[in-house]
Amino acid sequence: NAGVMQNPRHLVRRRGQEARLRCSPMKGHSHVYWYRQLPEEGLKFMVYLQKENIIDESGMPKERFSAEFPKEGPSILRIQQVVRGDSAAYFCASSPRDRFGATRNTEAFFGQGTRLTVV
Amino acid sequence: LAKTTQPISMDSYEGQEVNITCSHNNIATNDYITWYQQFPSQGPRFIIQGYKTKVTNEVASLFIPADRKSSTLSLPRVSLSDTAVYYCLVGDDNFNKFYFGSGTKLNVKP
Repeated sequence: NAGVMQNPRHLVRRRGQEARLRCSPMKGHSHVYWYRQLPEEGLKFMVYLQKENIIDESGMPKERFSAEFPKEGPSILRIQQVVRGDSAAYFCASSPRDRFGATRNTEAFFGQGTRLTVV
Repeated sequence: LAKTTQPISMDSYEGQEVNITCSHNNIATNDYITWYQQFPSQGPRFIIQGYKTKVTNEVASLFIPADRKSSTLSLPRVSLSDTAVYYCLVGDDNFNKFYFGSGTKLNVKP
């Protein structure tokens, strides 16, 4: 069972270009989370998606950033008109469920991340 | 959003037991305590989770006092490969609400 797959691992974009980051969750997982990590900092939540639905995008910047998780294919995090401040590691995580009964489990599995560099 | 406080860094030597304590004074009744490990250039990896008292798995132990306002991750006999950042997270079963913070950078020396 392959883990969470993110591609590309490294992405270089010039200011003003678009960046597309892809995430394929683990098999059987229907919940995807995107996090951003700046150097020497912790991860910051961006968005939580289920298939064809954005559940929580409270961590997403209001402009230039968008995310989707279509019925078929990977989840995509899209950054339009990138700026230098967008340079960071972007991690995707997936989990099989988001709510349990008595046996709560908040474990999520992370991908290797995509390192975006804006030049 | 329950936040956590951890030491920024810790040093240890191979073979020692390492205890990393996390404070979470505002933990809610439904919240669980979860620890993740992150190596450089990799995504975080789940280590252990608990609600109260003590939890042990093949990697670590987690000690949680009765008031649950803190927790301690215990790593037995660390090796160089345990050098990583360790994050303490507090939340209910909504993973998207977890606050990672800056974590504790553990440096294991030979």
